[in-house]
Amino acid sequence: GEDVEQSLFLSVREGDSSVINCTYTDSSSTYLYWYKQEPGAGLQLLTYIFSNMDMKQDQRLTVLLNKKDKHLSLRIADTQTGDSAIYFCAESGNSGYALNFGKGTSLLVTP
Amino acid sequence: GAVVSQHPSWVICKSGTSVKIECRSLDFQATTMFWYRQFPKQSLMLMATSNEGSKATYEQGVEKDKFLINHASLTLSTLTVTSAHPEDSSFYICSVTIGQGGEKLFFGSGTQLSVL
Repeated sequence: GEDVEQSLFLSVREGDSSVINCTYTDSSSTYLYWYKQEPGAGLQLLTYIFSNMDMKQDQRLTVLLNKKDKHLSLRIADTQTGDSAIYFCAESGNSGYALNFGKGTSLLVTP
Repeated sequence: GAVVSQHPSWVICKSGTSVKIECRSLDFQATTMFWYRQFPKQSLMLMATSNEGSKATYEQGVEKDKFLINHASLTLSTLTVTSAHPEDSSFYICSVTIGQGGEKLFFGSGTQLSVL
């Protein structure tokens, strides 16, 4: 399948902004997603962006999409300890609605 | 509230037994559900696409006789791991799509399977 790459680990201090980056290879992706996974739990859809957009903001979350470079980022403003989790980037590819996932970025927020 | 209900959350079974995992869509009909598998510290891998009223579509490398999928109603899909072995121990997650363009995927809470 197509590759989705993201950094494996990020540590930030509480109150700072977090930026998680992702690159993908399938230019036919219609939607790109960010999911949050807490230990032992399923995935929580945080936000998604349509491929013809370059930015989407939702409260503390800002998604930036550079379609030319196939680069997606998730910015979390005023990061809190409750934001500590694994964040997955995913793209819809050309297989319908099933997604290709990155390996996840483990975000650790320290007091 | 939850959109997708998955049950059980965790199961321990003996090698050679079969385990059934249920995935229910709540408050809406889901003609298509997806089953994923996740190994520790790895990404989710799509196993199969479950279609209501027809046979599931399996990804390459996934044994259809081992991972039986039944999508008999618009709100329920089941994954049965038959003759489970320790290497089948994993986290299994289902998802459903909603939205006019199917753009929103919601996931169940996952099932941790441990085969002894």
